Amino acid sequence: DTAVSQTPKYLVTQMGNDKSIKCEQNLGHDTMYWYKQDSKKFLKIMFSYNNKELIINETVPNRFSPKSPDKAHLNLHINSLELGDSAVYFCASSYYTGTSGTTDTQYFGPGTRLTVL
Amino acid sequence: GESVGLHLPTLSVQEGDNSIINCAYSNSASDYFIWYKQESGKGPQFIIDIRSNMDKRQGQRVTVLLNKTVKHLSLQIAATQPGDSAVYFCAEGGAADYKLSFGAGTTVTVRA
Repeated sequence: DTAVSQTPKYLVTQMGNDKSIKCEQNLGHDTMYWYKQDSKKFLKIMFSYNNKELIINETVPNRFSPKSPDKAHLNLHINSLELGDSAVYFCASSYYTGTSGTTDTQYFGPGTRLTVL
Repeated sequence: GESVGLHLPTLSVQEGDNSIINCAYSNSASDYFIWYKQESGKGPQFIIDIRSNMDKRQGQRVTVLLNKTVKHLSLQIAATQPGDSAVYFCAEGGAADYKLSFGAGTTVTVRA
């Protein structure tokens, strides 16, 4: 059984298009994340949602809009795609320990390789 | 923000030898550290973690060492196997910051 799944696995599109990537987790976690991995393998956090509320919003262009319909799903919509958006996007999930606790283990999906032409 | 870095971008290891992958972190407030393994075409996979109240933790064939004095983290892999070939990331997190900060990764190649 896949714990964190993403669709599609590959996405090739033209500059200027709008596209979405979907993520689902069946681990019962209450927090989900989106990361971007560049060509040098560097992983950078983009967003995080806890129980459908945005808790982390790094410096990301507002062309990127996450949407969490419920705590098991976190989708990423990207408007007006640019060449620099080409990367692998990873979804992850974890339990949220809040201000009284510490960060918990995050489990990653298989990634979506986005190529903007 | 603070970042976590790895000392070496690549490591070549003879099959059967032990591997040591090093990581330096800069945020003294970090209290949670994780090692991930990423194989080609896959997402990062959790290997082992350690909290700041410990200095050593062992798993199956892996050991993580934490030296808070010099802000250094290492991953030791015993009897390295071809399946250990991957990119290894260390990541840090803290109570005041719910996100993980990742280093650049070390690519481990196991020679037969």
